[in-house]
Amino acid sequence: DVKVTQSSRYLVKRTGEKVFLECVQDMDHENMFWYRQDPGLGLRLIYFSYDVKMKEKGDIPEGYSVSREKKERFSLILESASTNQTSMYLCASTWDSAREKLFFGSGTQLSVL
Amino acid sequence: ILNVEQSPQSLHVQEGDSTNFTCSFPSSNFYALHWYRWETAKSPEALFVMTLNGDEKKKGRISATLNTKEGYSYLYIKGSQPEDSATYLCASCLRGSQGNLIFGKGTKLSVKP
Repeated sequence: DVKVTQSSRYLVKRTGEKVFLECVQDMDHENMFWYRQDPGLGLRLIYFSYDVKMKEKGDIPEGYSVSREKKERFSLILESASTNQTSMYLCASTWDSAREKLFFGSGTQLSVL
Repeated sequence: ILNVEQSPQSLHVQEGDSTNFTCSFPSSNFYALHWYRWETAKSPEALFVMTLNGDEKKKGRISATLNTKEGYSYLYIKGSQPEDSATYLCASCLRGSQGNLIFGKGTKLSVKP
C-alpha cells in the first residue's frame, strides 16, 4: 500500500516561530502537494512539486515556502508563523497525471498561539 | 479560478436510506473529476477518478456518474450504513492546469443507526 507520512499529527507553535511540516511518500510519486483545510472551506492548494527541486505556487502560497530536495520528501515551511495559519495541513502525492488518484497523509493540525 | 460546488453541505439520513450528492464544475476544458471520502481522524481516501462524459463507476454500495457537457457529477450511496458517515469531497481539474485539483467544500453525511 502507498504510504504518505506526515511527521506530526498535532503541533502547537508560537507566533513568529519558523515551522517545518514534513511529508514523506514511499511510492516514487512525481507529484506532491500541500493543502490546508479550514472549516467551511474546501481543501486549498498551497504549493505543489512535480519533480525534485521543482515547486509551483498554488492558490494560497503567501506566508509559506517549500522544499523538495529528494523525490520522496516534500517539506512545507512557515517562515514566521501567524495565528491565521492555524489550520489542518494535508500532504498528498500521486503519479504524474491528474487522472491518477491522490494519496493523502493523515494531516497535521497546527495551532499557532 | 475554477469553482467546484457541492450540495448539500450536510445530510442526515437513517441507516438503510439511499442518498445522493451533487458536484458541479465548469464544463469547459474539463480534464478529470475525483471523489474522495474523508472520515474523521483519517486521511481522505479516493473513491473514483472519472474522465469521460457518461462515465459510471461503482465501488460496493457507492456509485458515481459524470456529465462533462453540463458540468456535474452525482455520487450515490445505496442502503447507507453508519460507517458511511464521512465528508465526501469532489475535485475537478482543467486541461492545461498542470494537474491541479480544485476541491469543493464537501458534503458531510451522517448516518444514524
